[in-house]
Amino acid sequence: DAMVIQNPRYQVTQFGKPVTLSCSQTLNHNVMYWYQQKSSQAPKLLFHYYDKDFNNEADTPDNFQSRRPNTSFCFLDIRSPGLGDAAMYLCATSRGRGGVGEQYFGPGTRLTVT
Amino acid sequence: AQKVTQAQTEISVVEKEDVTLDCVYETRDTTYYLFWYKQPPSGELVFLIRRNSFDEQNEISGRYSWNFQKSTSSFNFTITASQVVDSAVYFCALSELGAQKLVFGQGTRLTINP
Repeated sequence: DAMVIQNPRYQVTQFGKPVTLSCSQTLNHNVMYWYQQKSSQAPKLLFHYYDKDFNNEADTPDNFQSRRPNTSFCFLDIRSPGLGDAAMYLCATSRGRGGVGEQYFGPGTRLTVT
Repeated sequence: AQKVTQAQTEISVVEKEDVTLDCVYETRDTTYYLFWYKQPPSGELVFLIRRNSFDEQNEISGRYSWNFQKSTSSFNFTITASQVVDSAVYFCALSELGAQKLVFGQGTRLTINP
């Protein structure tokens, strides 16, 4: 089945220790997104790629970076995680640009910072 | 500016009851898209429906139905004969044409009790 896959599902990192979360998709969608979702809150968009075109949200901290080496994979790098970065990180994909299509989400990676 | 309001933070009903989740949105655009997503305890956001601003027809899918009314800027979601498996957080979201961004409401936590 075509899907969005996120690894790992649970990640524990130490304060200040860089961590990378990964996302892959078999849908062949052009657009990939990273969201941060804290407890009892709505998902918050961090950035998205349209193909290789990177689009950062204005309020996304510099501590968060992303890479998309090819259509199928996208990575979220947190350079120096703080306690406030503990959250669920959701990857999503959609076909095409323009906000028209629905987004398909992966199962998420729950990040704990100790 | 775009905004989505889900005034009901939590709803609890007994199985087999009908339940309606409210969604009110704000946008200045004439072309926009509305979505509902379900987030079960596992964490993955599951796409339920997309509706564009020019299509005010109500939609029914099994026990689920959606009522879109532009006059009141509402896109409400009704579950008929609720089941325990319907327990989840439900998010309403808005996307403006060209925005490439979903704006989520705060979500409604729905609990169906046996």
